[in-house]
Amino acid sequence: SAVISQKPSRDICQRGTSLTIQCQVDSQVTMMFWYRQQPGQSLTLIATANQGSEATYESGFVIDKFPISRPNLTFSTLTVSNMSPEDSSIYLCSVSSGGVGDTQYFGPGTRLTVL
Amino acid sequence: AQSVTQLDSQVPVFEEAPVELRCNYSSSVSVYLFWYVQYPNQGLQLLLKYLSGSTLVKGINGFEAEFNKSQTSFHLRKPSVHISDTAEYFCAVSGGSNYKLTFGKGTLLTVNP
Repeated sequence: SAVISQKPSRDICQRGTSLTIQCQVDSQVTMMFWYRQQPGQSLTLIATANQGSEATYESGFVIDKFPISRPNLTFSTLTVSNMSPEDSSIYLCSVSSGGVGDTQYFGPGTRLTVL
Repeated sequence: AQSVTQLDSQVPVFEEAPVELRCNYSSSVSVYLFWYVQYPNQGLQLLLKYLSGSTLVKGINGFEAEFNKSQTSFHLRKPSVHISDTAEYFCAVSGGSNYKLTFGKGTLLTVNP
């Protein structure tokens, strides 16, 4: 299984600012995903990060709010822009080899609090 | 479209007791089913998954789950729980040609001494 790290592990930010979260994998992977887990809630897929092209966003999530980069097969970033307290969540990246039924492996998450 | 229902948001049990965490799904295509565990302040870890074949699936830490197609269920069981099993458990489904996971809302298992 892949080993995934995320930076930062947690942060407290002011309203109106932006935060970039990094996700690093120890091996090349086909698929990388970004999820949001709001307090006491389940995981919601934000987008699929595509290497060399624009990310594919799920309904309710837009690129202006959550720009994503994926410059290579082991690294991705998610930016949470113009933050409000409603953005306070845990943000997780996950990876898989991309086949249907393949296991997704998750990073430890970034706990974001917006004041 | 796929959906997952975890019937119990919280399950308190005593140490060494058996436990069952319930999961029902809906899907119009063949499904792949997963159980993940999330310990406090950590990411998700795969417990087990069902792709095809035997309907009884064994996972890590003594957990097992049974796929029941007629009841569209994938309940998670452990015959004897430990304090260290206290965590949030998520059931998830993917299916057909869709690699995306749809998660249930989670069940908080609390094991008391």
